[in-house]
Amino acid sequence: NAGVTQTPKFQVLKTGQSMTLQCAQDMNHNSMYWYRQDPGMGLRLIYYSASEGTTDKGEVPNGYNVSRLNKREFSLRLESAAPSQTSVYFCATHHAFGTDTQYFGPGTRLTVL
Amino acid sequence: AQRVTQPEKLLSVFKGAPVELKCNYSYSGSPELFWYVQYSRQRLQLLLRHISRESIKGFTADLNKGETSFHLKKPFAQEEDSAMYYCALRGGGGNKLTFGTGTQLKVEL
Repeated sequence: NAGVTQTPKFQVLKTGQSMTLQCAQDMNHNSMYWYRQDPGMGLRLIYYSASEGTTDKGEVPNGYNVSRLNKREFSLRLESAAPSQTSVYFCATHHAFGTDTQYFGPGTRLTVL
Repeated sequence: AQRVTQPEKLLSVFKGAPVELKCNYSYSGSPELFWYVQYSRQRLQLLLRHISRESIKGFTADLNKGETSFHLKKPFAQEEDSAMYYCALRGGGGNKLTFGTGTQLKVEL
């Protein structure tokens, strides 16, 4: 039971390059989220998916796209990376029962030069 | 719009001293408040939520609707409490969380 996994752990891009951050969960949770974490800014929601096949914008969606192809996987794509997107990206899932909380992945540290 | 404010970026205390991490919120409805913790090199995890009204690792937090606060307290700080603490609010649909900017707690010997 791996919980929430993210790949890659680290990535360095040049301005204008594209890449996809992958997130997968084996907890059978319906909702999934992408956050970015920046010093002094806390965690800000980029996009979320309440259930398979649906996605919605969060607080800071510009420059990003997402795909929720199945219940397990939720990917975040940067089409043309910019230095302002240098950040640590966290994926999370929501468990509606029991603890009723969000479970986080280990994060992807992205640097855009 | 909902907002969570954590006024202290860094809080440094000595081992055995009391700890209070401040959190204030702004929300028009009935909020659900959480504290999340991120230890060094670990992922973010739930510490406690106001609905459960429990003590986790010696920490407690009481929701004060009059003062719109949800401060995190511990009577005697331990070295292992050193971490980044985030206050979060859930309101509206989608189970979305709004996080504060975080407070780095450093417990010194």
